[in-house]
Amino acid sequence: DTEVTQTPKHLVMGMTNKKSLKCEQHMGHRAMYWYKQKAKKPPELMFVYSYEKLSINESVPSRFSPECPNSSLLNLHLHALQPEDSALYLCASSQGGGRSSRNTIYFGEGSWLTVV
Amino acid sequence: DQQVKQNSPSLSVQEGRISILNCDYTNSMFDYFLWYKKYPAEGPTFLISISSIKDKNEDGRFTVFLNKSAKHLSLHIVPSQPGDSAVYFCAASSFLPGANSKLTFGKGITLSVRP
Repeated sequence: DTEVTQTPKHLVMGMTNKKSLKCEQHMGHRAMYWYKQKAKKPPELMFVYSYEKLSINESVPSRFSPECPNSSLLNLHLHALQPEDSALYLCASSQGGGRSSRNTIYFGEGSWLTVV
Repeated sequence: DQQVKQNSPSLSVQEGRISILNCDYTNSMFDYFLWYKKYPAEGPTFLISISSIKDKNEDGRFTVFLNKSAKHLSLHIVPSQPGDSAVYFCAASSFLPGANSKLTFGKGITLSVRP
């Protein structure tokens, strides 16, 4: 089982709203990621959590706030977004550490976000 | 500065023939490379990977070749099937994906396999 589950699949929010994207994996992975993908562009890394601690923040604006409540869950809290933040938000996970050839990053199906 | 380049935006091949998707990189610190397949409205699906200590890795119909001196890798799909039609992303990282790692993606190649 290499499943990463994201909810909701689609979200429309106004610029003054507060919403959250959720991600869950039950593979025992210790690293979890948020990526953002705009149309016809490659995924771009936003955040990395390693063993439930934020390890990488790619200079993401503070209107995006990640949270890792436990090793299986990853949230992305959204507040005061702009229309240009509309994109596909991808959650991913990987085993974390070790030198295994199967230490691959697995992606969820993504959450389509539209900011109006 | 694009560190992972997929210079051909699209490729069309006949069913049953070989598909060859190319990828070049500029960062000599990259030592682990992955290929992902993506259908519209879905997340990327992992296909195959290769570490820099190898020059070839094979998994069923998919083979990835790595030429470190040329900073070039390619994905071969043989035989190609209509279900292979998708966008293929090449990605690279400086160590095995895991804690504190970052994947850098190319722009993707749209593969169309004609019946």
